[in-house]
Amino acid sequence: KAGVTQTPRYLIKTRGQQVTLSCSPISGHRSVSWYQQTPGQGLQFLFEYFSETQRNKGNFPGRFSGRQFSNSRSEMNVSTLELGDSALYLCASSSHGGQKLFFGSGTQLSVL
Amino acid sequence: AQTVTQSQPEMSVQEAETVTLSCTYDTSESDYYLFWYKQPPSRQMILVIRQEAYKQQNATENRFSVNFQKAAKSFSLKISDSQLGDAAMYFCAYKGSGGGADGLTFGKGTHLIIQP
Repeated sequence: KAGVTQTPRYLIKTRGQQVTLSCSPISGHRSVSWYQQTPGQGLQFLFEYFSETQRNKGNFPGRFSGRQFSNSRSEMNVSTLELGDSALYLCASSSHGGQKLFFGSGTQLSVL
Repeated sequence: AQTVTQSQPEMSVQEAETVTLSCTYDTSESDYYLFWYKQPPSRQMILVIRQEAYKQQNATENRFSVNFQKAAKSFSLKISDSQLGDAAMYFCAYKGSGGGADGLTFGKGTHLIIQP
């Protein structure tokens, strides 16, 4: 079974731009969640999607949004990028109601 | 809000020896899950072990075991017979079991160094 796939692996953007990150979950997994990892704040929960519906959202501004498609693939969008958005963005998938999260290798976003 | 604290930013152990990583948490919930994740330089978070709070028996996975003390809100990870491949960042994480629960709450991590 293929693992969680995140694309792209690396991304460089400038302030004010927007970015879209993609995540393909493990086959059969319907829940996808996103996390931001920075040296200062550590790992922080962004949001979780299940069957195309956002179930939970962390404490992030509205510039951070996401969606999930009918095939469970998910995208995360950040608009009006700020320098502080530079981080590793990790996606995780789990089966229905599962407490075991399986993570991808992340997308490293650098905002210049 | 739940918090997870890992008081050891860095630990070092000789290969083949045993090391224990500490984690404490704060919650008002009675039912929840606790996890240890490993993050090697590849950056992928790998689940090491999971503990359900309602289970008194400590979880074990091969060389990895936990000491779960619910009353003390403590959840330490013991790695026996340490191997070079165990070198990584280790994160303790908490997740409530309620239907509207947020995602995982992580500690700041412990950098584990294995000395050959």
